[in-house]
Amino acid sequence: AQSVAQPEDQVNVAEGNPLTVKCTYSVSGNPYLFWYVQYPNRGLQFLLKYITGDNLVKGSYGFEAEFNKSQTSFHLKKPSALVSDSALYFCAVRAFNDYKLSFGAGTTVTVRA
Amino acid sequence: ETGVTQTPRHLVMGMTNKKSLKCEQHLGHNAMYWYKQSAKKPLELMFVYSLEERVENNSVPSRFSPECPNSSHLFLHLHTLQPEDSALYLCASSQDFGGNEAFFGQGTRLTVV
Repeated sequence: AQSVAQPEDQVNVAEGNPLTVKCTYSVSGNPYLFWYVQYPNRGLQFLLKYITGDNLVKGSYGFEAEFNKSQTSFHLKKPSALVSDSALYFCAVRAFNDYKLSFGAGTTVTVRA
Repeated sequence: ETGVTQTPRHLVMGMTNKKSLKCEQHLGHNAMYWYKQSAKKPLELMFVYSLEERVENNSVPSRFSPECPNSSHLFLHLHTLQPEDSALYLCASSQDFGGNEAFFGQGTRLTVV
């Protein structure tokens, strides 16, 4: 079985400070990893993904994520957070030869001005 | 917009009603999904279709009945629901599985009274 853990329900940062949202996963074999963002009353919006290759993945809106196989982690980062980054963030995993896309419970990010 | 459209956006239904949720994707994707989103919980994968064939029925109660008449349309038929079924129901599509990201609709907010 595959699963995703997002250990923090909430992350609060000041605008201009670095933002990190943590994610760890469990899957058999090689993983495909994804980050999504959800704004109020909206569906999930794709940010970035890791398939293979470089462990540092760059995505939309200045976000990046680092794949760490030994720690089974895929943390989302942004060097300088904006108030508009305040939203609910989801990490997801899919096993190499599977169709299931499994999500974590989400982390609410609040960026204060 | 992501190219995945869900209707209606909001639905209030009694426990004895029958209603249907509709999802349409304009992306030419081969896979479609239904997810249930409840507060503070991981997204629950309900059904997965690949080329109009169901590949996953994740122990969903029979009061939820999916239908995929073609690769662009997905329905979720609802009958005799319970108040605990109140949630945001999200439809998604992807080109295929593996490393292909899913694109989500804006969801249907369902309230069962």
